[in-house]
Amino acid sequence: GQQVMQIPQYQHVQEGEDFTTYCNSSTTLSNIQWYKQRPGGHPVFLIQLVKSGEVKKQKRLTFQFGEAKKNSSLHITATQTTDVGTYFCAGSRDDKIIFGKGTRLHILP
Amino acid sequence: NAGVTQTPKFRVLKTGQSMTLLCAQDMNHEYMYWYRQDPGMGLRLIHYSVGEGTTAKGEVPDGYNVSRLKKQNFLLGLESAAPSQTSVYFCASSYGQRELDNEQFFGPGTRLTVL
Repeated sequence: GQQVMQIPQYQHVQEGEDFTTYCNSSTTLSNIQWYKQRPGGHPVFLIQLVKSGEVKKQKRLTFQFGEAKKNSSLHITATQTTDVGTYFCAGSRDDKIIFGKGTRLHILP
Repeated sequence: NAGVTQTPKFRVLKTGQSMTLLCAQDMNHEYMYWYRQDPGMGLRLIHYSVGEGTTAKGEVPDGYNVSRLKKQNFLLGLESAAPSQTSVYFCASSYGQRELDNEQFFGPGTRLTVL
């Protein structure tokens, strides 16, 4: 069945350092979404990528969708304490959405 | 708009007890979902609904039942709770499943402990 793998599972970075999480699918995706969940909170939609090779930016966050539409990445430049949380990717195919297990980001002051 | 709301926020059950979790959305969304979240396991889909009166199984449906009698409500039932069902349960809704329609809006979650 369709699987969405996300790495790393955990990441500790010093405040100001960059952070990247990767999402890989076993099958070609129609689109991919990214969500952020703050500690104790619920997942909140960040962005959706649809086109092959698409790159979108939201301030310090850069999202990429691979050429083959099987992988994606989220890159945060110069992390801040407000970036703490778990980042999930969610791949969509055949009207089904599968969430990755998430990457938990810890920021060291 | 309240968005997606869940009732209750917390619950402690004894093994074998039953309960119903209520999810309500005021965005006129067609699709609704129930997920459970366990440490290191991400979000796992339990059941979902593509419209009023319809339900379908997700990845981990065993031990749960659902109903969607009204478009705005999606109920998750545990008939005989087990300790393995200790988890945080999230409800979500979306307009649809197609591109640009499938952004999911999540409720605040229900933390369930089964002793």
